[in-house]
Amino acid sequence: GAVVSQHPSRVICKSGTSVKIECRSLDFQATTMFWYRQFPKQSLMLMATSNEGSKATYEQGVEKDKFLINHASLTLSTLTVTSAHPEDSSFYICSALDSGVGTDTQYFGPGTRLTVL
Amino acid sequence: AQSVTQLDSQVPVFEEAPVELRCNYSSSVSVYLFWYVQYPNQGLQLLLKYLSGSTLVKGINGFEAEFNKSQTSFHLRKPSVHISDTAEYFCAVSDRGGFKTIFGAGTRLFVKA
Repeated sequence: GAVVSQHPSRVICKSGTSVKIECRSLDFQATTMFWYRQFPKQSLMLMATSNEGSKATYEQGVEKDKFLINHASLTLSTLTVTSAHPEDSSFYICSALDSGVGTDTQYFGPGTRLTVL
Repeated sequence: AQSVTQLDSQVPVFEEAPVELRCNYSSSVSVYLFWYVQYPNQGLQLLLKYLSGSTLVKGINGFEAEFNKSQTSFHLRKPSVHISDTAEYFCAVSDRGGFKTIFGAGTRLFVKA
């Protein structure tokens, strides 16, 4: 099946720094990718929809200036957490929509665990 | 807008017993329905999905689910569980246009020996 990778898998940073997380579709093109956030023992909350070549669409309550999303190519979307604080510590998961003919499946990355000290 | 309700936060069950994880959804439009499994510190793996057609959907690892439009349910079942099935299971719904997916709160399946 299709593979989505995330890098890094785990990152620890100091409060006030920025962290970039990459999401790549390895064997298909994805015009649409999604970013989710998951707190411990909770469900996934959609943060934003990333569309190649256009601005991301953010869900209500998600600060677009804090969570910068760039979808520069059909296989790469990046999420940058700017001026990270301890409350931003979470598990971030991306997914990529395989928009090929006859397919409409989201493939999820393995997740990135962010810890802000 | 869609919403998903998973009725049980935890389901303990003995090995080789059958299990059903319940999921109800609400939507004003036609939707796709999914079940995902998540093992600790990992991403999500698709178990099965309902797009259209037969209401009984078979997935990986011996799981199946039945779409019931009148009851707006999509319960997940397995006739005989294994220890390795211990994980978090998420029911999800997406609209047929934008594919934005809404997840339920999750059900932790705990299989005991």
